[in-house]
Amino acid sequence: EIVLTQSPATLSLSPGERATLSCRASQSVNTYLAWYQQKVGQAPRLLIYDASNRATGIPARFSGSGSGTDFTLTISSLEPEDFAFYYCQQRRNWPLLTFGGGTKVEIK
Amino acid sequence: LQLQESGPGLVKPSETLSLTCTVSGASISSTGYYWGWIRQPPGKGLEWIGNVYYSGSTYYNPSLKSRVTISVDTSKNQFSLKLTSVTAADTAMFHCATIGPRSGYFDSWGQGSLVTVSS
Repeated sequence: EIVLTQSPATLSLSPGERATLSCRASQSVNTYLAWYQQKVGQAPRLLIYDASNRATGIPARFSGSGSGTDFTLTISSLEPEDFAFYYCQQRRNWPLLTFGGGTKVEIK
Repeated sequence: LQLQESGPGLVKPSETLSLTCTVSGASISSTGYYWGWIRQPPGKGLEWIGNVYYSGSTYYNPSLKSRVTISVDTSKNQFSLKLTSVTAADTAMFHCATIGPRSGYFDSWGQGSLVTVSS
């Protein structure tokens, strides 16, 4: 099983600041990694797929990078609606899928 | 494409949890689409439960495999989840979701159905 470890657990930032979230895999997942955003009381939404591709309708302030075992989701300038939970997910082990434990981005 | 979960909100310990996901706006028999279940205990993260293809092929999380069955009903454009021998640890929001062709990622989600395991 591929384990995904996200850090930090909580990120406290102000609107307009840059957010950098990390996802580390227990073994290489190449670039087969996605990022999701989940707001309280809502379903997750796909943000980034295959490490660096924005999903349809996702603003350009969201970007993903990385390959192998280390990945980063960057939000260049936080908007009020960006304060939420973020999860990574790998498909390297298709059809067996795993999610990371999540990072909460909260208002400082 | 829309997905909607339905089923009992309360299940007794040791019984079987059953949920159905109704798909609208697309055929569940569409080539290359996989249909999945993900759960989220209150205040915790996401856990993949399993996926099904319209042909009936299934893929399960190894940690749940002994208790999970996912099936598809193409005539009703629905797929279903059964989780046996539930305990309080199975209390969670259950989401159904879809994976598009050659994707591997969940690009459409249902709003979720909260299931509480309690006597």
